[in-house]
Amino acid sequence: KAGVTQTPRYLIKTRGQQVTLSCSPISGHRSVSWYQQTPGQGLQFLFEYFSETQRNKGNFPGRFSGRQFSNSRSEMNVSTLELGDSALYLCASSPTARTYLYNEQFFGPGTRLTVL
Amino acid sequence: KNEVEQSPQNLTAQEGEFITINCSYSVGISALHWLQQHPGGGIVSLFMLSSGKKKHGRLIATINIQEKHSSLHITASHPRDSAVYICAVFGNRDDKIIFGKGTRLHILP
Repeated sequence: KAGVTQTPRYLIKTRGQQVTLSCSPISGHRSVSWYQQTPGQGLQFLFEYFSETQRNKGNFPGRFSGRQFSNSRSEMNVSTLELGDSALYLCASSPTARTYLYNEQFFGPGTRLTVL
Repeated sequence: KNEVEQSPQNLTAQEGEFITINCSYSVGISALHWLQQHPGGGIVSLFMLSSGKKKHGRLIATINIQEKHSSLHITASHPRDSAVYICAVFGNRDDKIIFGKGTRLHILP
């Protein structure tokens, strides 16, 4: 089975631009979660999608948004980029929602975003 | 004070040593996860715990819900165990997911 894939792997943007990152879960997995990892804050939860619905959301501003398609692929979007958005963005998939209660998650390799 | 605290922050040990990484948390939880992150960023989920103890190969994870504490043990450590180990808890009141800052482990050959 193919693992979780994320595209692109690396991205450089400038302040004020917007960016869209993509995550394809493991076949059969319906839950996709997104995380931001920075040296200062560590890992932080962004949001979780299950069956095209956002099920859980972390404490991030509205500039961070996401969606999930009927094939379970997910995208996250960051508008009006700020320098502080430079981070590794990870997605993870699992078969069910509220994944931390029931399942392990399978992580993708991440997208490293640099904002100049 | 962070809601999830890990100790130590950094640990260097010789190959073969027994390793213990600790995680303490201050919120009520439904589950606790241990994650392993290798250089380059890839994360692997090691354990999900809601009570007791789990073992997988040379890794053992325990949790004491009353004391709000979990430990990850590595027996017969090996250089390939060198990684960052991250504790994550799932809050039982608001579905909040909180991560520790991680423990950077370096095993010398």
